[in-house]
Amino acid sequence: EGQLVESGGGLVQPGGSLRLSCAASGFAFSKSWMSWVRQAPGKGPEWVANIKEDGSEIYYEDSVKGRFTISRDNARNSLYLQMNSLRAEDTAMYYCARGYYWGQGTLVTVSS
Amino acid sequence: DIQMTQSPSTVSASVGDRVIITCRASQNIRNWLAWYQQKPGKAPKVLIYKASSLESGVPSRFSGSGYGTEFTLTISSLQPDDFATYYCQQDNTDFGGGTKVEIK
Repeated sequence: EGQLVESGGGLVQPGGSLRLSCAASGFAFSKSWMSWVRQAPGKGPEWVANIKEDGSEIYYEDSVKGRFTISRDNARNSLYLQMNSLRAEDTAMYYCARGYYWGQGTLVTVSS
Repeated sequence: DIQMTQSPSTVSASVGDRVIITCRASQNIRNWLAWYQQKPGKAPKVLIYKASSLESGVPSRFSGSGYGTEFTLTISSLQPDDFATYYCQQDNTDFGGGTKVEIK
């Protein structure tokens, strides 16, 4: 099953940027589709983005298109989410996921 | 986008009850459906994947069925540890709105 550990969350002002990281271990990262999923306080989970094993296919949820960028470094077993032009509605716990298996999340709060 | 509709949004049940949760997809998703259980403050945990495959370590009182657009999660005999919120997800993307299983 492996382990996924997210980092990089924090408090950021509206319009600001943040880069989330996910360190993967215990499984073949370079052979796995990876995802970011978020969950706003008191709400259900929301899929954010997916990236294919080699990065050749990427998909985004509509509300983050043009603002968020998912990427990966297979040599470092790491997944990233660059978040720009952040809005209050982006406030959520952000989870890194491999298929059905999720990390414990990193909290992003967008507020002035 | 594929819409995932879960029902009911809340179910009140007692220990020992049989609980059935439904998830409907707006398009045919074959068997690309997973069910998760989430408890407060924790990440969701997969129970069922590919509509009917039981995740290793998950009690056999949980079962999933369905194909295409209609899916169900059944808890055959509700246990105290099962009071939680349940979500369906299609093909590692869109989620249903969730079903909270609460104590009657």
